[in-house]
Amino acid sequence: DQQVKQNSPSLSVQEGRISILNCDYTNSMFDYFLWYKKYPAEGPTFLISISSIKDKNEDGRFTVFLNKSAKHLSLHIVPSQPGDSAVYFCAANPPVGSARQLTFGSGTQLTVLP
Amino acid sequence: ETGVTQTPRHLVMGMTNKKSLKCEQHLGHNAMYWYKQSAKKPLELMFVYSLEERVENNSVPSRFSPECPNSSHLFLHLHTLQPEDSALYLCASSQESPLATNEKLFFGSGTQLSVL
Repeated sequence: DQQVKQNSPSLSVQEGRISILNCDYTNSMFDYFLWYKKYPAEGPTFLISISSIKDKNEDGRFTVFLNKSAKHLSLHIVPSQPGDSAVYFCAANPPVGSARQLTFGSGTQLTVLP
Repeated sequence: ETGVTQTPRHLVMGMTNKKSLKCEQHLGHNAMYWYKQSAKKPLELMFVYSLEERVENNSVPSRFSPECPNSSHLFLHLHTLQPEDSALYLCASSQESPLATNEKLFFGSGTQLSVL
């Protein structure tokens, strides 16, 4: 059973517009969430993270929002650029005392059209 | 060279071959991981090593055999693989395992494996 779900396998957005990537999770004990970005033929690279004690974290064009009651997080990219075209993975970290291995979603392929 | 380095980048092997994937991290981390990425699927954790001791083995078939001779090097030995084992195999490292809060994994570029 997937504990972290990215229900949209792909998303296309026009350059300059907002990209919104969504992620849902089932385990309310997750306390730290990360987004990774992956280009073809490269490994995933860390993009941005958020702790469960916050509801928003911003880094330049990238903002992650966390809604704990809905067990939902989203990544906003504004403005979107063609170089943002990649697969984005959501990941969640369990709390201290558990196995504490990151659990990943299946990824969303973002395509930013020029 | 910095970060996490994996070799080879691409590997094609027959079902009767024996091959090895190599990973080296230059970050001074104590934990190393093997992940499998198949198309449209979540990254699957295969093995975790912390201070050269295997701490997790996620029900991986015995045709995959990991080896961690020191905290900087990790190998994945492959033998009698099946076509469904074709995937991208990613190595990662972190300072510690289990991960501390606010810690993250650093990934290599992966080995794209094709089993014929």
